[in-house]
Amino acid sequence: QSVLTQPPSASGTPGQGVTISCSGSSSNIGSNTVNWYQQLPGTAPKVLIYSNNQRPSGVPDRFSGSKSGTSASLAISGLQSEDEADYYCSAWDDSLNGHVVFGGGTKLTVL
Amino acid sequence: QVQLQESGPGLVKPSETLSLTCAISGGSITSSYWNWIRQPPGKGLEWIGCVYYSGRTYYNPALKSRVTISADTSKNQFSLKLTSVTAADTAVYYCARFLGPYTNWFDPWGQGTLVTVSS
Repeated sequence: QSVLTQPPSASGTPGQGVTISCSGSSSNIGSNTVNWYQQLPGTAPKVLIYSNNQRPSGVPDRFSGSKSGTSASLAISGLQSEDEADYYCSAWDDSLNGHVVFGGGTKLTVL
Repeated sequence: QVQLQESGPGLVKPSETLSLTCAISGGSITSSYWNWIRQPPGKGLEWIGCVYYSGRTYYNPALKSRVTISADTSKNQFSLKLTSVTAADTAVYYCARFLGPYTNWFDPWGQGTLVTVSS
């Protein structure tokens, strides 16, 4: 059972938009920033969004992040087939001397 | 740019100790925190812990009693030891960097190494 809660799956058709949620608590998302990772099949994860809403260079602006209270969201607009991947959220958790927590991951299917 | 490469045995027997090393190239171990993250086959990501070059560590509370992460500044590498392994520890193990607990996005990642626990 992951500390951060994500829907196990999401889907959309090419060109559509999709949003993936990540729910936590006051000790993690409620007091720290959220990061998002994309994991393509057979590869290591790659940072997609950091510090709630910042995109590393090279990440298309179709990807955006937001945070409100103890929840965060990743929005993908203009879906493309290459967006089919697993997406994970993470945050620092201040409890128990501090540690990183991940969401369980969301498998995005582009129909 | 910084690149990371994991190395170590791909097969470990139950009850033994899993040992992995992550070599850092293109940057210094003194610049960041260095992490281990694992992913069981077909499952999600699990953070194991991290180390700063000074020796400061943070660990996943669920694994803390079995984990040691250490830094070797002379070799510009860091290591993971996980004791008393069981089949549940079978996973792809990744090493990754972050700048600090409150700047904790992982970038870059190593390519990952599969460790299987089996007799």
